[in-house]
Amino acid sequence: QKEVEQDPGPLSVPEGAIVSLNCTYSNSAFQYFMWYRQYSRKGPELLMYTYSSGNKEDGRFTAQVDKSSKYISLFIRDSQPSDSATYLCAVTGGGNKLTFGTGTQLKVEL
Amino acid sequence: GAVVSQHPSWVICKSGTSVKIECRSLDFQATTMFWYRQFPKQSLMLMATSNEGSKATYEQGVEKDKFLINHASLTLSTLTVTSAHPEDSSFYICSAPVSGQPQHFGDGTRLSIL
Repeated sequence: QKEVEQDPGPLSVPEGAIVSLNCTYSNSAFQYFMWYRQYSRKGPELLMYTYSSGNKEDGRFTAQVDKSSKYISLFIRDSQPSDSATYLCAVTGGGNKLTFGTGTQLKVEL
Repeated sequence: GAVVSQHPSWVICKSGTSVKIECRSLDFQATTMFWYRQFPKQSLMLMATSNEGSKATYEQGVEKDKFLINHASLTLSTLTVTSAHPEDSSFYICSAPVSGQPQHFGDGTRLSIL
């Protein structure tokens, strides 16, 4: 079993839709949760990070962590074509070593 | 703006040659940097942790003599792929933790070995 599971997609939505991206993880020791956005042939760009359970909002993006079910989510409101990218979740127990999901490819269509 | 700069962004070279990739932290010091490898439509796989002033720590299965890492200053780490072969072709990405934040990544280096 992988430490972090993420549906690879692709996920295709119309412009303006609410997008829900999710990951599950297996190790309860993970305490820091991150979402990165990666455009084609570019490095990952940090979008949001949270510690422990709860929600965090930044503009159109909301990150949600449920440690009881080991489930993390990223919601994108009013999605735009420029949001089309691969979204990677990442977790860590507090050290520098990150464990990544496989990434979900998102396409927002006009 | 980008806080981690990686160079070159794309390199093509003949089989058997060595290729050096640079990773720089801009406006901050990084005692630790990380090197990842990413195959198409796959996630990032950590190759090694680069430590300023000491030896790098390699992940299991990564050949130390194949992928030489040098972290000679607080703002620069280099990855040298020695005697590169077509199977080494991949997307190599470096990262560094920024104070109080998770790792920030460079824009990656696309390596193509002919």
